[in-house]
Parts: sequence; C-alpha cells; structure tokens
Amino acid sequence: DADVTQTPRNRITKTGKRIMLECSQTKGHDRMYWYRQDPGLGLRLIYYSFDVKDINKGEISDGYSVSRQAQAKFSLSLESAIPNQTALYFCATSDPGTGELFFGEGSRLTVL
Amino acid sequence: QKEVEQNSGPLSVPEGAIASLNCTYSDRVSQSFFWYRQYSGKSPELIMSIYSNGDKEDGRFTAQLNKASQYVSLLIRDSQPSDSATYLCAVNRGSTLGRLYFGRGTQLTVWP
Repeated sequence: DADVTQTPRNRITKTGKRIMLECSQTKGHDRMYWYRQDPGLGLRLIYYSFDVKDINKGEISDGYSVSRQAQAKFSLSLESAIPNQTALYFCATSDPGTGELFFGEGSRLTVL
Repeated sequence: QKEVEQNSGPLSVPEGAIASLNCTYSDRVSQSFFWYRQYSGKSPELIMSIYSNGDKEDGRFTAQLNKASQYVSLLIRDSQPSDSATYLCAVNRGSTLGRLYFGRGTQLTVWP
C-alpha cells in the first residue's frame, strides 16, 4: 500500500459545487502539505500543516480550505469550485530530518 | 524573479549521452535542495538531495551545489530512454525543513 493515499483519484464536478479531497499517510510524519500542479507552472503550495493544531496558508490558498483531522489525515476543500481550479492536486508529507517530501498519487480535478 | 528557475526545455539527448539540468534559486537562507523526477500523470519521486557545496553522486546521477552562486544542477550520465521525464528542482523555503519551492520543471527526452 502507498505511504500517502489520496481520494478520489479523479473527479469531475460542476461550477459552484463543494469538493473535498482527502489524504491519509502511514509514515508517521507530523508535517503534511497540499500542492497544486498546472501544466507549465510546476507545483504550488496551497496549505501546509506542521501538526494537528497548526494550519498555514501557502502561495495560493484563496478559494481553498483545509482540515487536519488527525496526524495522519489532511483534507482539502473547495467550497465553491470554479473552472480555473481544474488541476492535478498532490498531498505530501515530509521527513522531519531531511525535508524530503513524499507525495501521494495525485487527485485530478476537473471543474466544468 | 521566481524563487526557483530551471533551464527552459525541452531537452533532448541521445541514449548514452550526458544530460545536464540546471537550477538557480533566490533565497540565500535555503539549506536543502532536491531533484525530483516526474513521469507524465504520475507523482514526483525524489532522485537526489544535496545539502552542502560540491558534488554528490548516486549511480548515474550527480547533483552539484554552489551556494555562493545560488546554483544547483543535476547530471545524468549514460542517459537511458527510461530517464525521459520532467525533472523538478526544489529548494527549501528559508530554514524550515519541508516547505519547498519548486521550479517549473525541465522536460527531458532521451532518444534511442
């Protein structure tokens, strides 16, 4: 099984709908992240959490919210999805000693 | 200036050649540097990390870091078609491990 699991892997929705992407990890790390990837733009940080009580905005947090339900779980919500939120979303966790990121398999979201 | 800049691609090399990928960064406090490989539609996977000036070799891969010039590179020797992927340079944000700036990536094609 993957160390970082994302659900759903693919989702098509309509403008204005609320969407939640879920992430769970088995690596036992405290730090978790949500990134967005668009063609030609690389990975951009949406939100990150260094422990259950710590939530921080990243580069592009507008239109998104997160919830850290437990050390192993970190979910991303789009309260009212819009077409320019169509992208590939990655959850990640980091090794506290090296800073290395471990990524989930990605969630491809299409907003029509 | 973007925090992490990578040489524009795509880069195309013949099998067996050396592929050279370059990256510059703007945050002088950064201490951790990573190269990730990403196949189309897949999640990024770490191939090299480097933390101190100089060269670090791992098999066919060599990472080079020059903090004074704020420059990090990746050399792939004896390139193989299976090396064809997008390579992402990532730099730690400030002194906090785990928060990474990513470059936009360089697409590498190795042709037989």
